Amino acid sequence: QVQLQESSPGLVQPSETLSLTCGVSGYSISSGYYWGWIRQSPGKRLEWIGAMYHTENVYYNPSLSSRVTLSVDTSKNQFSLKLKSVTAADTAVYWCVRIGDDVSGYSIDYWGQGTLVTVSS
Amino acid sequence: DIVMTQSPLSLPVTPGEPASISCRSSQSVLNSNGYNYVDWYLQKPGQSPQLLIYLGSNRASGVPDRFSGSGSGTDFTLRISRVEAGDVGVYYCMQTLQTPLTFGGGTKVEIK
Repeated sequence: QVQLQESSPGLVQPSETLSLTCGVSGYSISSGYYWGWIRQSPGKRLEWIGAMYHTENVYYNPSLSSRVTLSVDTSKNQFSLKLKSVTAADTAVYWCVRIGDDVSGYSIDYWGQGTLVTVSS
Repeated sequence: DIVMTQSPLSLPVTPGEPASISCRSSQSVLNSNGYNYVDWYLQKPGQSPQLLIYLGSNRASGVPDRFSGSGSGTDFTLRISRVEAGDVGVYYCMQTLQTPLTFGGGTKVEIK
């Protein structure tokens, strides 16, 4: 059974960098699939942040691309999100996800439990 | 970006009765391969979203056949043939034709 687990930084100071890591069990990241992040701010719809396939194909939401970096550590079977210069608008529940391939229409078949990140001083 | 618009916002349902949710995309999500790149997800209270339907009409593994997806191009529908109490939550459509992947605003299904 594939399982994803986000780290939980909880509170981040405004203008600082939000860092999240997603540990994967039950599947080797290097074996395939896309791995990404989704968030939901209070009262807002779900927002796709970005995704990557291994390290060579990385896709970002243009609305966040200037502040976001995704990376993968295959030795630890985990992948990470860094979002710099955060503001209160970045307060949200963040999920790490596995995204299928073209056969499944790039659907999201596994989600982490989600972690609430609050940006506040 | 492709904008996904769902209706209704809220849907009170009676157990045993059918229910349907509509999702409209701002541009066609029909790929040249003949597939519609639309998914449906259900977020039950206190849980992460879970995949129900992919490529417009394909049920994900373990999803009861009470759930069905239909539509093509820009108009899509999720139907529940007989609602059960465990079906409550927020339903989302999502397009995966192009990045950024985008979601509908959600439809909250609750029992009358």
